Amino acid sequence: GAGVSQSPRYKVAKRGQDVALRCDPISGHVSLFWYQQALGQGPEFLTYFQNEAQLDKSGLPSDRFFAERPEGSVSTLKIQRTQQEDSAVYLCASSLANRGNSPLHFGNGTRLTVT
Amino acid sequence: DAKTTQPPSMDCAEGRAANLPCNHSTISGNEYVYWYRQIHSQGPQYIIHGLKNNETNEMASLIITEDRKSSTLILPHATLRDTAVYYCIVRVAGYSGGGADGLTFGKGTHLIIQP
Repeated sequence: GAGVSQSPRYKVAKRGQDVALRCDPISGHVSLFWYQQALGQGPEFLTYFQNEAQLDKSGLPSDRFFAERPEGSVSTLKIQRTQQEDSAVYLCASSLANRGNSPLHFGNGTRLTVT
Repeated sequence: DAKTTQPPSMDCAEGRAANLPCNHSTISGNEYVYWYRQIHSQGPQYIIHGLKNNETNEMASLIITEDRKSSTLILPHATLRDTAVYYCIVRVAGYSGGGADGLTFGKGTHLIIQP
């Protein structure tokens, strides 16, 4: 079946622009996670949804970052007034349920470059 | 902070078994051991997970010591396509509704398969 799909694959933004990154999770997956991965580092947690509810946004680095999942399926990560330090790969993952026996499945990410 | 320790890099000859170690001496009784790998420019790929018993699937085998303080991921016949960063992660088995129940990545082991 189809895996997690993210778009766009690459995004170049000028500093100060707003960007929106899309994630299509695996159909039927209740849990959705966003991660940020800087060059040479492991992914770092940003935020988590269970269906349409955003239950944890403790990893969002600033109030310029906003995520939503209004119908409990597709999710969008929005970054306002982008800064150079926002340059990274943004990964989305989904799982059937948020418990230890339910693996997360990742998309291939969106590589954001802020110039 | 990641709760696991892995060597930063390893080499393995093509066709041989690759054995990747991981220490998780502070693991709790309700935490799973997960393994993911990340090939350049792709998202992390789920490999295998286990709680107490050894596990095997079409990709790999997971050997967990009896005291659960360490584990080994075994790729039985490594190919060049297995060159990747391999992450060993401990994850709580229960459910608290938060994103912290997802995955916390460390730096992983960069496995290089030599022809």
